[in-house]
Amino acid sequence: AQSVTQLGSHVSVSEGALVLLRCNYSSSVPPYLFWYVQYPNQGLQLLLKYTSAATLVKGINGFEAEFKKSETSFHLTKPSAHMSDAAEYFCAVSVAGGYQKVTFGTGTKLQVIP
Amino acid sequence: KAGVTQTPRYLIKTRGQQVTLSCSPISGHRSVSWYQQTPGQGLQFLFEYFSETQRNKGNFPGRFSGRQFSNSRSEMNVSTLELGDSALYLCASSKEVQGPGYTFGSGTRLTVV
Repeated sequence: AQSVTQLGSHVSVSEGALVLLRCNYSSSVPPYLFWYVQYPNQGLQLLLKYTSAATLVKGINGFEAEFKKSETSFHLTKPSAHMSDAAEYFCAVSVAGGYQKVTFGTGTKLQVIP
Repeated sequence: KAGVTQTPRYLIKTRGQQVTLSCSPISGHRSVSWYQQTPGQGLQFLFEYFSETQRNKGNFPGRFSGRQFSNSRSEMNVSTLELGDSALYLCASSKEVQGPGYTFGSGTRLTVV
């Protein structure tokens, strides 16, 4: 079985400050890991994904995440927050080669303060 | 290219009725998954279809069902609607089963009154 834990349901940062959204996963086999963003009344948009290649993954809108197997973490970062980054962010995990469902975390709402 | 299209965007139904939601995946994507999103439960997996076959199913009652057509379009049906079925229903497609990486539609907002 696989699971994802997102630490902090709400995170506030000042515009221009570092964004750090935390995600820890549990998986009995090597995982695929994802970050998605959701704007109000919209579906989820894939920000980036880790699929066992480079451990530092760069995504859209200046976001990146680092896969750390020893810490079972996949934290999302962005050096400088922009007002348009205010949204809800979801971490997700699945495993390769099977029909297991993708499991999503409970989400973190990011507020950007001007 | 066109994204994942879900229709309708908004729907209001009465308790006890049934409803059918539609999802057209990205061209070439053969896997379609459905999720229910509510403030209290977050994103919960309903089911996944690949090549017209249900490959995986979440922990929802039998009132929730789905199907996939030969053109990969999918429908989900909820019978005997309950107030608790009010949610945003999201459809996601991918080339392979389980991705890697879904493309989501904008969802159907279902309100049961």
